[in-house]
Order: sequence, then structure tokens, then C-alpha cells
Amino acid sequence: AQTVTQSQPEMSVQEAETVTLSCTYDTSENNYYLFWYKQPPSRQMILVIRQEAYKQQNATENRFSVNFQKAAKSFSLKISDSQLGDTAMYFCAGRDNYGQNFVFGPGTRLSVLP
Amino acid sequence: DTGVSQNPRHKITKRGQNVTFRCDPISEHNRLYWYRQTLGQGPEFLTYFQNEAQLEKSRLLSDRFSAERPKGSFSTLEIQRTEQGDSAMYLCASSPATGELFFGEGSRLTVL
Repeated sequence: AQTVTQSQPEMSVQEAETVTLSCTYDTSENNYYLFWYKQPPSRQMILVIRQEAYKQQNATENRFSVNFQKAAKSFSLKISDSQLGDTAMYFCAGRDNYGQNFVFGPGTRLSVLP
Repeated sequence: DTGVSQNPRHKITKRGQNVTFRCDPISEHNRLYWYRQTLGQGPEFLTYFQNEAQLEKSRLLSDRFSAERPKGSFSTLEIQRTEQGDSAMYLCASSPATGELFFGEGSRLTVL
């Protein structure tokens, strides 16, 4: 079974600065998918970025990028030029290629300070 | 594309009562998931449908919980004889073949 660990329960960053959220995804599979989801206060969860484990290149979506280190099972999210609207819970999730169950981490609460 | 819709958004019930939640997925998505989320925690997988077939159930899904997806369209999640420990946000998500989840806004259950 897969396990997802997020070791930072809470983080804060000044507006316009850069912050990195950590995640580890432990699985016995070689092919899998990794995701970062954002859940703003009292709002629905939305996808921020996804990464296929077989791809060498790290995914990037505008101000959001990932650093995927497969051997270390590490999947961190970097948010550049942080904005007040980035304040949210961030969940790391993974799905093995042949499974359909998405496993989520406990989340990191990010506060962007003005 | 109207997104994933869940009803009701909030439900307050007394212990021992039955409750039912409905989820309408994005129409072209054949996969539908139910998750439970308690305050400050990540979503916990409950069950998964591909079309009308329920392919996987978590051990969290006790025999008081039942989920259906008739005709592979909307889904219902019923909780019988509710307990205070059932209080949580129940999230529905649908997924296309590409595999990422699209979530609804959730149904919050409070059991008194």
C-alpha cells in the first residue's frame, strides 16, 4: 500500500516570496502519478499540478513547480511569487499506475502574509 | 461543464438516523470516488466506481455505509444508524481517463 507523508503541518511566507512544501510518496510500484491539490478555506479542492513518475522533467504550471526525486521518494512543491490567494491547505497525493485509489497526505496549511 | 455537484451541502442529523448524499459527476467522467475528510486532515478513501461497478471499498466503509451508482451516472452514499464519529465532510470526485480527480464542494455531516 502507498503512503504519503507531509512533514510540515503549517508554513507561512511573505507575499511575493518563494516557499517549498515537502512530500514523500512511498510505493513498491515503479510507475505512478503524483499530485498537489489546494483547498482554500471553505472551498473545494482543486488540482495544482501533476507529475508522472516515468517523466524525467519536473512539471511546471505558471508559478508552481515540482522537484521530483524518484530515488528519494520526494515530491516537493515550489510556489514562486506567493500571492494572498495562495493561502490554503495543500495536499500531496499519489496513485499507482495499476491502482485507482488516490492516497492523500495529511496536508500543509500555508499562510501567505501581506 | 458544470463541475461535480454534491447535495445536500450540509446535513445535521440525530444519532441513529439515516442520511443520504448525492453526487453528480462531470458527465464524461466514468470514474467516481467518495472520500471522507475530518477537520485538519487529508481526504480518506471510501470507495470507487468505474461506470456502475463498485470496484474498491475501504475498510473504513463499515456495513452501515452503502454506495451506489445506478446506470453509471450519479452516485449516492447512504449512512445508516449514524454515529457521532460519522461527522465529517464527505467529498465526491470524478475522474477522466487521464486520472486526475475533480472534486465537488463536499457534503458536511454533523451528527448530534
